[in-house]
Amino acid sequence: QVQLVQSGAEVKKPGASVKVSCKASGYTFTSYYMHWVRQAPGQGLEWMGIINPSGGSTSYAQKFQGRVTMTRDTSTSTVYMELSSLRSEDTAVYYCARGDCSGGSCYFPPFWFDPWGQGTLVTVSS
Amino acid sequence: DIQMTQSPSSLSASVGDRVTITCRASQSISSYLNWYQQKPGKAPKLLIYAASSLQSGVPSRFSGSGSGTDFTLTISSLQPEDFATYYCQQSYSTSCTFGQGTKLEIK
Repeated sequence: QVQLVQSGAEVKKPGASVKVSCKASGYTFTSYYMHWVRQAPGQGLEWMGIINPSGGSTSYAQKFQGRVTMTRDTSTSTVYMELSSLRSEDTAVYYCARGDCSGGSCYFPPFWFDPWGQGTLVTVSS
Repeated sequence: DIQMTQSPSSLSASVGDRVTITCRASQSISSYLNWYQQKPGKAPKLLIYAASSLQSGVPSRFSGSGSGTDFTLTISSLQPEDFATYYCQQSYSTSCTFGQGTKLEIK
């Protein structure tokens, strides 16, 4: 079955960087875009960006431009999200989610997120 | 960015009730609207995509409707496992945005 498995929880100090991984299985890795979404404690969902696992192209939410880098390793069907210059407000659960659609490129609408990874808690604290 | 506003923010209901959650977009998004269910400590789960299409495996008591700027998620007869938080999401633009969530609680 289609599955996304993320790396474990992280604790980081302000100013540091964190790199979260998301390993895909059960489908052709390069055929679906991958998105990253985060959720601060008790808050809603916030889209961070998208990566094309085939060519590696990315697009980031303006809020995270300059601080986030998304990469992929096709040999292991894994995508990565690295966030730098961490601050306390970055404490959140970070999710990867596969972009799905009815056909064609799932970069353009309509698309939806299915499935999601289990989430990775990143805690930023001094 | 397109703003998504859900109402109500929270809702108390009983098993067997019919419940409707609304989602309004700040501009027309055609039918590019998805609904997710999230339970505490779990990742969101897709319920409805493209405004009204039921995701495979999701019970038929869930339904979605709407187009343009106004959308609804309806649960026809609440079951105990339906108490959760529900989010709408617009995918009109690749930089998608979510509503703030509606927490459905047991009355």
